[in-house]
Amino acid sequence: TQLLEQSPQFLSIQEGENLTVYCNSSSVFSSLQWYRQEPGEGPVLLVTVVTGGEVKKLKRLTFQFGDARKDSSLHITAAQPGDTGLYLCAGSNAGGTSYGKLTFGQGTILTVHP
Amino acid sequence: SQTIHQWPATLVQPVGSPLSLECTVEGTSNPNLYWYRQAAGRGLQLLFYSVGIGQISSEVPQNLSASRPQDRQFILSSKKLLLSDSGFYLCAWYSDIWSGRVTSYNEQFFGPGTRLTVL
Repeated sequence: TQLLEQSPQFLSIQEGENLTVYCNSSSVFSSLQWYRQEPGEGPVLLVTVVTGGEVKKLKRLTFQFGDARKDSSLHITAAQPGDTGLYLCAGSNAGGTSYGKLTFGQGTILTVHP
Repeated sequence: SQTIHQWPATLVQPVGSPLSLECTVEGTSNPNLYWYRQAAGRGLQLLFYSVGIGQISSEVPQNLSASRPQDRQFILSSKKLLLSDSGFYLCAWYSDIWSGRVTSYNEQFFGPGTRLTVL
């Protein structure tokens, strides 16, 4: 069974600070996704990383996939209150028997105070 | 464009009552469909997935069942609800045809969810 450990579980910071969320596994994934979820809504896909060492940027968010494709990080620069939410990482393995299933981390609840 | 609907948005049910949650997808054909349950502020637990009409796979033993009577319709049911069935239920879809890539990356897209409270 593949597991994804996400840390920290909770993060409470002031507006303008930087933060990093980590997603680690002992298993290799063919791709990894990051989702953001607001209370009472479904998760929204932010990014997919697929190549070891890949770095993707989405405005103030930087996503990195580890060289061995076992871990990933999300870095937010100059956090804003609008970044508040639950951040989820999810790993997958392509192939006929995977059926598109994802393995989710437990999530990081981020609160950015004005 | 693709759209996924879930209803009802919220539901309060007594213990022992039946349950039926519905999920429908628009704008794609033959998607894989998934039911998840989420505890407050936590990760997602996969309950069921379906790769086609009438094809259901269960990931965890439980009091719930799922059905897929039509290509883009996925239903989550229970004959008798338990207190432990309370939670936030999410439906998601995935289609490698939609991804348009040679190799798809299992990106799933989620509905708005149903908040179920069992009293």
